[in-house]
Parts: sequence; C-alpha cells; structure tokens
Amino acid sequence: EAQVTQNPRYLITVTGKKLTVTCSQNMNHEYMSWYRQDPGLGLRQIYYSMNVEVTDKGDVPEGYKVSRKEKRNFPLILESPSPNQTSLYFCASSSGDSYTDTQYFGPGTRLTVL
Amino acid sequence: AQTVTQSQPEMSVQEAETVTLSCTYDTSESNYYLFWYKQPPSRQMILVIRQEAYKQQNATENRFSVNFQKAAKSFSLKISDSQLGDTAMYFCAFIFANDYKLSFGAGTTVTVRA
Repeated sequence: EAQVTQNPRYLITVTGKKLTVTCSQNMNHEYMSWYRQDPGLGLRQIYYSMNVEVTDKGDVPEGYKVSRKEKRNFPLILESPSPNQTSLYFCASSSGDSYTDTQYFGPGTRLTVL
Repeated sequence: AQTVTQSQPEMSVQEAETVTLSCTYDTSESNYYLFWYKQPPSRQMILVIRQEAYKQQNATENRFSVNFQKAAKSFSLKISDSQLGDTAMYFCAFIFANDYKLSFGAGTTVTVRA
C-alpha cells in the first residue's frame, strides 16, 4: 500500500529535550515536506526537500532541522523544543515530476512540549 | 506574499442538502494549481479535488465540485447531497510554479446534521 508514515503519532516532552519525528514514504517520491498545523492558521510549511541532500526552508523553519540522506526518509529534528512548538505536524510527499503533483500526507504527529 | 482566505470558520448543513465553502486567494502568478483537502476527525489530510488555473472548466469529483473564478481569485467548493461522513475540516490550498509549497487557508469546519 502506497503511504507516508510518521512516528511517533503522539509525543509529550519537556522543554529543551531533543527529539526526532520520523517520516518515510514507499512511493519513490522525490519531493518531501514538513508542515505544522495550528488552530486558525491552517498548515504552514517548515522545510521541504526536492531530492536527496537537497533541502530548503519553508515559512516557519526556526527551531527545526531536517535531513534527507535517503530518498524515502525525511526526519524532522527539534534540537531544543519549546512550548511554542506544540502543534500537529504533517509530513507529505509527491513525485516531484511537477510542482503540481498531488501531495500525499502522513497521518500526523501530535507534539506537546511542556 | 501569497495568501489564502477562508472566511467561514464553521458551517452546518442538513444531511442530503448542499453546502458551499468559500475560498479567495491572492497571487500575482498566473500559473498555479488549487486544491481542496478534507481533514476528518482522524486528522488525516485527504485530497478532495484539484483545479488547474489555466483550465476554464470547473473540476468535479462525484458530489464535490468547484466554482473557479480566476479573475476574482475565488475557488469555492460545493458539496452536494451531504453525508454524515462529510463532517470534517476543509482546507483550501494552492501551489504555483515558482514555489513547491502548498499555501493553506485557515480551514472551514463542516458539520453534517442527521
């Protein structure tokens, strides 16, 4: 089954404790992206990657890091989480042949930073 | 800056009736794609319908159709014969040629009443 998976689905942590949210896709997609969803703001892009070793900032990159060492994986790293990073996070991927290709979303990760 | 505005935070509709969700956007680009995504209580982001900006014909997917008015920068979604399973938050989004980011509206929560 073609899918985007994220782990963990739920995470409660404390300020300053480094964490990683994993994202993996099995569709051989070149393009991957991270979004955060906050009430009243919709989804906002954090980082995206056009291919292996190619990443770039989205609208709200502060406090986040990403890496793309393999085509299928695109982890999101919070080096020192803060309460304002409490949010619902989505990973998405698309074939990358065209910017117009449909993006497929993972199930979401609910992060709470205390 | 590209912006997407959904002016209706919440809407309620009786089962089997029709509801229309509004979306306006602001861009100086001429080549872009528009999308409606559905987010049910499971939080999964599901593509409902997509529209190419260069196409005059409005997109239709079963009970879902759009009214795309390019000059007015308007992209409304009509849900016909509403079903209980349509209860969800609906997001309008667009992506344009010079960017690989989906820009989302704040969302409209639709509740279908039995």
